[in-house]
Amino acid sequence: KAGVTQTPRYLIKTRGQQVTLSCSPISGHRSVSWYQQTPGQGLQFLFEYFSETQRNKGNFPGRFSGRQFSNSRSEMNVSTLELGDSALYLCASSLESAGANVLTFGAGSRLTVL
Amino acid sequence: AQKITQTQPGMFVQEKEAVTLDCTYDTSDQSYGLFWYKQPSSGEMIFLIYQGSYDEQNATEGRYSLNFQKARKSANLVISASQLGDSAMYFCAMREDGSARQLTFGSGTQLTVLP
Repeated sequence: KAGVTQTPRYLIKTRGQQVTLSCSPISGHRSVSWYQQTPGQGLQFLFEYFSETQRNKGNFPGRFSGRQFSNSRSEMNVSTLELGDSALYLCASSLESAGANVLTFGAGSRLTVL
Repeated sequence: AQKITQTQPGMFVQEKEAVTLDCTYDTSDQSYGLFWYKQPSSGEMIFLIYQGSYDEQNATEGRYSLNFQKARKSANLVISASQLGDSAMYFCAMREDGSARQLTFGSGTQLTVLP
């Protein structure tokens, strides 16, 4: 059974640019969540999608957005990049985001903003 | 207020010995889940163990066990018979089963297993 696949694994952008990250969840998983990990702030929740609907959003500015497609694949977009957006972006999928349902994480997309 | 507290930024353990990683949490919800994840230097978060707030028995998964003390709001991870491959960052996380549903993570504990 294939795991959660995130692309690209590494990318370098400059301030002001935008970036799109992709996440393919485990087959059958309908919930996809995104987390940002930085040395200073640790792991922070960005948003969660379920059946193409955003169900929950963390405390991030509107420059951070996402979507989910009918096949449960998800993308997140960051516009007008800032230096502070440099981070490891982790995607996780699960059957549901409640109870004992475990989030399975991908290997992450490491974004560097210069 | 911080919801998940991991007070040990770094820990060392000798190979084959047991180690306990501390985690305390704060919630007013009655229904919640506690998770432990391992993050090697490669970056991927690996699920280790889950404990539900209504579970009466402490969770165990192979060499991992969770020492759940509900009244004290603690969920310590115990790794028995440490191996060199256990060297990694360990995160405690909580999910409240209300409307929020996201995982809230602690700051992590860097575990180093010494040969």
